[in-house]
Amino acid sequence: AQSVTQPDARVTVSEGASLQLRCKYSYSGTPYLFWYVQYPRQGLQLLLKYYSGDPVVQGVNGFEAEFIKSNSSFHLRKASVHWSDSAVYFCAVSGLTNSAGNKLTFGIGTRVLVRP
Amino acid sequence: GALVYQYPRRTICKSGTSMRMECQAVGFQATSVAWYRQSPQKTFELIALSTVNSAIKYEQNFTQEKFPISHPNLSFSSMTVLNAYLEDRGLYLCGARGQGGTQYFGPGTRLLVL
Repeated sequence: AQSVTQPDARVTVSEGASLQLRCKYSYSGTPYLFWYVQYPRQGLQLLLKYYSGDPVVQGVNGFEAEFIKSNSSFHLRKASVHWSDSAVYFCAVSGLTNSAGNKLTFGIGTRVLVRP
Repeated sequence: GALVYQYPRRTICKSGTSMRMECQAVGFQATSVAWYRQSPQKTFELIALSTVNSAIKYEQNFTQEKFPISHPNLSFSSMTVLNAYLEDRGLYLCGARGQGGTQYFGPGTRLLVL
């Protein structure tokens, strides 16, 4: 079974401050990890993904995430947030070649509010 | 680039009626298509996964009888919500996966049930 835990349901930060969103996953094989963002009344947009290689991956809009295998974590970071970063962020895991195909398991999401 | 379109973006149906939603992959070949539902205040649940040359696999709590899916080619899929009730409301996302492994999502179809 695969699962994703996002322990923070809601995070509030000031504009210009740094942001870290936590994600821990459980997956028996080699995980394929993703961060998606959902802006109000919209679908999902891919921020970044990791499968192998450099454990720090760069995404769009200045976001990056670090894969730490020993901790089963894939935290998302941004050095300086903008008000437009207010959204809900979802961490997700899947397997690349497992029998379930491309089943993505999502965390519950972290709602980020950036104060001006 | 890879894009996924969904139609309609928003729909309202009367309780007990059915509605069909469509998903179109543009710019890549979708070797598999997954349909998800986000119920109000919840995360995304996988409804079913459709892979080329394989049977459509439904997750627990979702059935073909309730959510029939058609996946006739590598760029199109449709799903119908039959006999919709209040608990079926939410945002339905189509995720299309290309050969590179990344799953691209459409903007979703938001279903309201009256």
